[in-house]
Amino acid sequence: GQNIDQPTEMTATEGAIVQINCTYQTSGFNGLFWYQQHAGEAPTFLSYNVLDGLEEKGRFSSFLSRSKGYSYLLLKELQMKDSASYLCAALDSNYQLIWGAGTKLIIKP
Amino acid sequence: GAVVSQHPSWVICKSGTSVKIECRSLDFQATTMFWYRQFPKQSLMLMATSNEGSKATYEQGVEKDKFLINHASLTLSTLTVTSAHPEDSSFYICSAREQDYGYTFGSGTRLTVV
Repeated sequence: GQNIDQPTEMTATEGAIVQINCTYQTSGFNGLFWYQQHAGEAPTFLSYNVLDGLEEKGRFSSFLSRSKGYSYLLLKELQMKDSASYLCAALDSNYQLIWGAGTKLIIKP
Repeated sequence: GAVVSQHPSWVICKSGTSVKIECRSLDFQATTMFWYRQFPKQSLMLMATSNEGSKATYEQGVEKDKFLINHASLTLSTLTVTSAHPEDSSFYICSAREQDYGYTFGSGTRLTVV
């Protein structure tokens, strides 16, 4: 079956760095997305990886290892506004998105 | 960038009535749109995939007669919740595929059935 695993909740301190991990098992693979979702709002796009390696975009970076079925989202210089849920989603061979349950990130001052 | 407009943002309706939610792609043509439902503290659950000019494909467990989807043009898909009941109260989100791998979400609709 198809499955996405990510931690349910993480806590970090303002100004620090946090890494949110995601492992996936899908029928075929056409890339991995990370989305940010604040409570009561729709998800917003953060990153898309299809090749192995690290993609850096400002304070956020995303890493992919296709051989390991593993990705992580790295958030640096954490701000209070980064408190949100972070959703990992893999694109399968039919270009359907398989969603993880999301990681709720709590930022403490 | 690609923008998907979803209306209404929130709606309250009486039990037994129907509610229509619209999803429009503003600056691109969306041949495929997706409808999701999200309950509090849970992830997105795909309800159906709608393709322009053809019948929607519903996920297992989703009642097609209750959740009517129409994708009449390349820029508009609608979801109608028929004979709504309190258990249908949820956050409904549409998404459009811009290219082979690009997905953009609407702002979501909070439906409360009283």
